[in-house]
Amino acid sequence: SQTIHQWPATLVQPVGSPLSLECTVEGTSNPNLYWYRQAAGRGLQLLFYSVGIGQISSEVPQNLSASRPQDRQFILSSKKLLLSDSGFYLCAWSGDRTHSGNTIYFGEGSWLTVV
Amino acid sequence: EDKVVQSPLSLVVHEGDTVTLNCSYEVTNFRSLLWYKQEKKAPTFLFMLTSSGIEKKSGRLSSILDKKELFSILNITATQTGDSAVYLCAVEYSWSFGNEKLTFGTGTRLTIIP
Repeated sequence: SQTIHQWPATLVQPVGSPLSLECTVEGTSNPNLYWYRQAAGRGLQLLFYSVGIGQISSEVPQNLSASRPQDRQFILSSKKLLLSDSGFYLCAWSGDRTHSGNTIYFGEGSWLTVV
Repeated sequence: EDKVVQSPLSLVVHEGDTVTLNCSYEVTNFRSLLWYKQEKKAPTFLFMLTSSGIEKKSGRLSSILDKKELFSILNITATQTGDSAVYLCAVEYSWSFGNEKLTFGTGTRLTIIP
């Protein structure tokens, strides 16, 4: 069965510091991968999605970047965090539409607080 | 602009009550509508709906889609305290050939009072 893991679960970082959140998927190959952010009281906002190694699409202009160095690894980064980057970050994957109907499955989430 | 709107934003009911959560959408090239339940952490998948009028059911939860009126409802009967969560609606649509996106509503926060 497929599983998705992301870490760290909780992070408190000072303004201006770098960020790296990592996500890996097991039990599937060539998944579509996503990074979402959920600010307090707001819906899930798609930040990045990737359909393959090295292929990253950005949804909104922002202080963050994403990379996919391996097929089942997705990394969210920032060189200098802003207070507005605080939120709940979710990695997600979806598989072959024929089999999963493009249902998205989420990782456990990472709480980021920028102070 | 494509959008997904959920109502009510929050709902507080007593254990045993029945609740109906609403999701309306405006997207081009609709593909499917999904419901998720989010407790403290990651959303968990509940239903995916692609056809109008066909009810999906899982225990006390059920959902139906109306593609003509562009909405879906999620029903929970005989609510329990474990049903307390944020319920998210998401709509999948094609934005170009071979590319789909998933847009989420802001969610309905359901609180069940014992």
